[in-house]
Amino acid sequence: AQSVSQHNHHVILSEAASLELGCNYSYGGTVNLFWYVQYPGQHLQLLLKYFSGDPLVKGIKGFEAEFIKSKFSFNLRKPSVQWSDTAEYFCAVKPGGSQGNLIFGKGTKLSVKP
Amino acid sequence: EAQVTQNPRYLITVTGKKLTVTCSQNMNHEYMSWYRQDPGLGLRQIYYSMNVEVTDKGDVPEGYKVSRKEKRNFPLILESPSPNQTSLYFCASSLRQGGYNEQFFGPGTRLTVL
Repeated sequence: AQSVSQHNHHVILSEAASLELGCNYSYGGTVNLFWYVQYPGQHLQLLLKYFSGDPLVKGIKGFEAEFIKSKFSFNLRKPSVQWSDTAEYFCAVKPGGSQGNLIFGKGTKLSVKP
Repeated sequence: EAQVTQNPRYLITVTGKKLTVTCSQNMNHEYMSWYRQDPGLGLRQIYYSMNVEVTDKGDVPEGYKVSRKEKRNFPLILESPSPNQTSLYFCASSLRQGGYNEQFFGPGTRLTVL
């Protein structure tokens, strides 16, 4: 069965530190990849997505992610985090391109200390 | 404003008392889906619908029912709720099921079953 792994359950950083959240998936075919963010008490919002083309994807609020096909990975990065980035981050994969449902990772909680 | 709405936002009920959580979208989306979010487990899909009168099971459908009589509405029905259905529930919609379509999430319904 397809699965999405997020390696870190909880990450604690100080403001201005760099962030990298890992995401790996188990599916050998075409995939569409997403990162969602959930701020405390709010619903999920799309940060960025990858469908095809340039494997380095830029999203909102200074986030970016790199798709490395050979490693089945789609890691999320931000050069300098802010307190307002405190949230839970979910990687999601849609196997099979146009078909298939969205499969979510278990999430990584990010706490940024002011 | 384009949005997905859910009602109620919070609900405390007792075992066995039937309940319905409503979901409505105003974006003329074909695809709608229900997820539950539990700590450490991320989001898991309960049911989805590709269009009116077309529904299918997700990963965790046991104990739930859905219906899709109109395009905009996708209610989640718990005929006989049990404590293990205590969770945070999200409805989502997208234009179609295809991978190129971003899913928009509702604000969530926090359900407690005593």
